[in-house]
Amino acid sequence: NAGVTQTPKFRVLKTGQSMTLLCAQDMNHEYMYWYRQDPGMGLRLIHYSVGEGTTAKGEVPDGYNVSRLKKQNFLLGLESAAPSQTSVYFCASSYPGRNLAKNIQYFGAGTRLSVL
Amino acid sequence: TQLLEQSPQFLSIQEGENLTVYCNSSSVFSSLQWYRQEPGEGPVLLVTVVTGGEVKKLKRLTFQFGDARKDSSLHITAAQPGDTGLYLCAGVDDYKLSFGAGTTVTVRA
Repeated sequence: NAGVTQTPKFRVLKTGQSMTLLCAQDMNHEYMYWYRQDPGMGLRLIHYSVGEGTTAKGEVPDGYNVSRLKKQNFLLGLESAAPSQTSVYFCASSYPGRNLAKNIQYFGAGTRLSVL
Repeated sequence: TQLLEQSPQFLSIQEGENLTVYCNSSSVFSSLQWYRQEPGEGPVLLVTVVTGGEVKKLKRLTFQFGDARKDSSLHITAAQPGDTGLYLCAGVDDYKLSFGAGTTVTVRA
């Protein structure tokens, strides 16, 4: 069982270039999330989706766009990359449930992005 | 603004020693989670605490949730090198998580 798979694992961009990060999950989860992780900042939510065809802004959405055309995939796009977007990006998925103790997010291994 | 403050930021101890990591919130969350993250990997859930005053044990790890559900602690007894990693607390607000900055724990053999 693959769980949550992110591609690519590493990428170097020049300022102004664009790219798309792909997240795929095989657990039939309704909810998917994109986070960025920076030193001393923990993980911050960029965008999230509560179902196919729906997306919403998180804590730090500026400079990013997302799409959820298929339930299993969640794409994160950078239209014009900036050095401030150098970070490690994590995708996660979860199955919504009323039992709070079972509200678990499963994370991918991350994409390390450098913008020069 | 970081809703969850973790302390200390870094912790280096010798194998066999005990350690405690703290997580304090300015808000009340419906539940609180602890994750461990190893280099090059995503966070992995260790435990969820829901009820104020709750104590959960996971082998040598003990998790406490404060009575007011605004603070939590993680205590590791007789730490081992395999406990090395980044420990993150996260407040659960419906289906979204708000993470603390994390505590980097290094256990020396």
